[in-house]
Amino acid sequence: AQSVTQPDIHITVSEGASLELRCNYSYGATPYLFWYVQSPGQGLQLLLKYFSGDTLVQGIKGFEAEFKRSQSSFNLRKPSVHWSDAAEYFCAVGLYNQGGKLIFGQGTELSVKP
Amino acid sequence: NAGVTQTPKFQVLKTGQSMTLQCAQDMNHNSMYWYRQDPGMGLRLIYYSASEGTTDKGEVPNGYNVSRLNKREFSLRLESAAPSQTSVYFCASSGGTNTGELFFGEGSRLTVL
Repeated sequence: AQSVTQPDIHITVSEGASLELRCNYSYGATPYLFWYVQSPGQGLQLLLKYFSGDTLVQGIKGFEAEFKRSQSSFNLRKPSVHWSDAAEYFCAVGLYNQGGKLIFGQGTELSVKP
Repeated sequence: NAGVTQTPKFQVLKTGQSMTLQCAQDMNHNSMYWYRQDPGMGLRLIYYSASEGTTDKGEVPNGYNVSRLNKREFSLRLESAAPSQTSVYFCASSGGTNTGELFFGEGSRLTVL
């Protein structure tokens, strides 16, 4: 069965430090991969997506992610974190030809220290 | 731009009561989805509608029913609410079955006492 694992429930980084959020997936075919961000009390907003091609994808707000097929991973990175990046981040896998539905990971809550 | 609109935003129910969550999108999207969000469990798919006139079960459909009223609207009904259905519910829509990019509403927080 398809699944997405985000091993880190909560991460705290200092403002200006670099960030990497981990995501591993289990899916039999080439996946569509996504990162979403959720600010408190809000819906989810798409940060970036990978469908095919270049394995390093750029997103909004200075985020990027790298697809590594050999490791079944799609880790999210940012070189310098801002206080406004504090939020919950969700990795998701899209299932081809299955109604466009997404399977989400458990989420990683990011706190930013001043 | 309204995008995806959910109503109500907050609701408190007693065990056994029924209610319907409404969702409407103005992006002319074909596909619509209902997810629930619980702490530590991410978002889990309840039901989805790949296109007008079709609905399918997701991961956690028990205790829920849905109606795809037209292309714009997709409602979620709890016939007999249970405390285990206390959650935040999100409606989402997508322009195509294989694009994967979902657009979310702001959520509906439901408490069942």
